[in-house]
Amino acid sequence: EVQLVESGGGLVQPGRSLRLSCTASGFTFGDYAMSWFRQAPGKGLEWVGFVRSKAYGGTTEYAASVKGRFTISRDDSKSIAYLQMNSLKTADTAVYYCSRDIRFSFDIWGQGTMVTVSS
Amino acid sequence: QSALTQPPSVSGSPGQSVTISCTGTSSDVGSYNRVSWYQQSPGTAPKLMIYEVSNRPSGVPDRFSGSKSGNTASLTISGLQAEDEADYYCNSYTSSSTYVFGTGTKVTVL
Repeated sequence: EVQLVESGGGLVQPGRSLRLSCTASGFTFGDYAMSWFRQAPGKGLEWVGFVRSKAYGGTTEYAASVKGRFTISRDDSKSIAYLQMNSLKTADTAVYYCSRDIRFSFDIWGQGTMVTVSS
Repeated sequence: QSALTQPPSVSGSPGQSVTISCTGTSSDVGSYNRVSWYQQSPGTAPKLMIYEVSNRPSGVPDRFSGSKSGNTASLTISGLQAEDEADYYCNSYTSSSTYVFGTGTKVTVL
């Protein structure tokens, strides 16, 4: 079964860091770009960023709202994508999702992990 | 990058058709045929309904269709069913190699 599972969410104080993981199974992880998204409580979806597959350089792109604070990486040997979040703000409170990218769309999504930034 | 503009809500009776618009700019929707649509029910992850403007993934009913004209993309649900009640989001690739979502539309089946 093709599946993505996010983990690592929780309660963190403003200014601190947190790393989320997205563990894939059921497909050849290294063949795909992987994206991260978030959804603040009661709000819409926001694209956070993505990491390209190694075939396309493994490079990353980010939304302006997180650029310079968040870093996306991947470990193809473990089929895991990571979202390193630094200098967290209360505005970063959201459910964070990862997805598989295919043909400029997102076809497989994880169940999400909640990140709460609060003192 | 500003969010794409969608109507906050649309509604229709079972069997009717509803259309959701998604307006962007020449830097996103207007530049590429890389618009996708997602359905999200409360407490669940989004589900891909349409990719590359008008293509349906396997398993998505053919009552869902997509189109684009200029800077505006549209999702039409024909033969509306109770199970179609959800939030819908459009998404577009941009000229900055990023992605942007629409503001979201709540579909209500009367």
